Amino acid sequence: SQQGEEDPQALSIQEGENATMNCSYKTSINNLQWYRQNSGRGLVHLILIRSNEREKHSGRLRVTLDTSKKSSSLLITASRAADTASYFCATVREGGKLIFGQGTELSVKP
Amino acid sequence: EAGVTQFPSHSVIEKGQTVTLRCDPISGHDNLYWYRRVMGKEIKFLLHFVKESKQDESGMPNNRFLAERTGGTYSTLKVQPAELEDSGVYFCASTKSRGSAPFFGPGTRLTVL
Repeated sequence: SQQGEEDPQALSIQEGENATMNCSYKTSINNLQWYRQNSGRGLVHLILIRSNEREKHSGRLRVTLDTSKKSSSLLITASRAADTASYFCATVREGGKLIFGQGTELSVKP
Repeated sequence: EAGVTQFPSHSVIEKGQTVTLRCDPISGHDNLYWYRRVMGKEIKFLLHFVKESKQDESGMPNNRFLAERTGGTYSTLKVQPAELEDSGVYFCASTKSRGSAPFFGPGTRLTVL
């Protein structure tokens, strides 16, 4: 992978449960971003965490960043069926291009 | 303010045919990027325009792919001739400055039969 690994590759949970996805990367970063792709279509930017931040919240999302381990995690609390999607982490390289992880397929069952 | 738009939303073509995808970035965004997600795999960078110039085309898979950005506004990505492995979702994104998170379009789903 260009980026590193994401785990798990697939995650199936019940509505109301929490979902945690992890991402590792290979290079030094200025920031790390998380995206969601719904139903094989559009990419939605979820949250950006800067390299000097350790944790960031946005609604039901919580992102952590450990630059010493080159890893990040995305926690979705109180999941809903509408959260079913593919989730990707991404780091920024030269020119602003994004390098994505392999993604986690999240399925939230009602 | 209108977001990034892409056309068509879905294209189904036969192997060997030509397809042209279009991306309209947000007005004033000089940076335009193309990405694709093939066969449910990871999303990969294809190329980057700054205005009408190709800044980085290191991700273009082969010479069957041709991208243009006439006048530094909208961009097209032509696949000629299309192969089965080109099937996937093609995303376009734009930013005003390279340091900020890009705005993505809804993507074009390409199916090559």
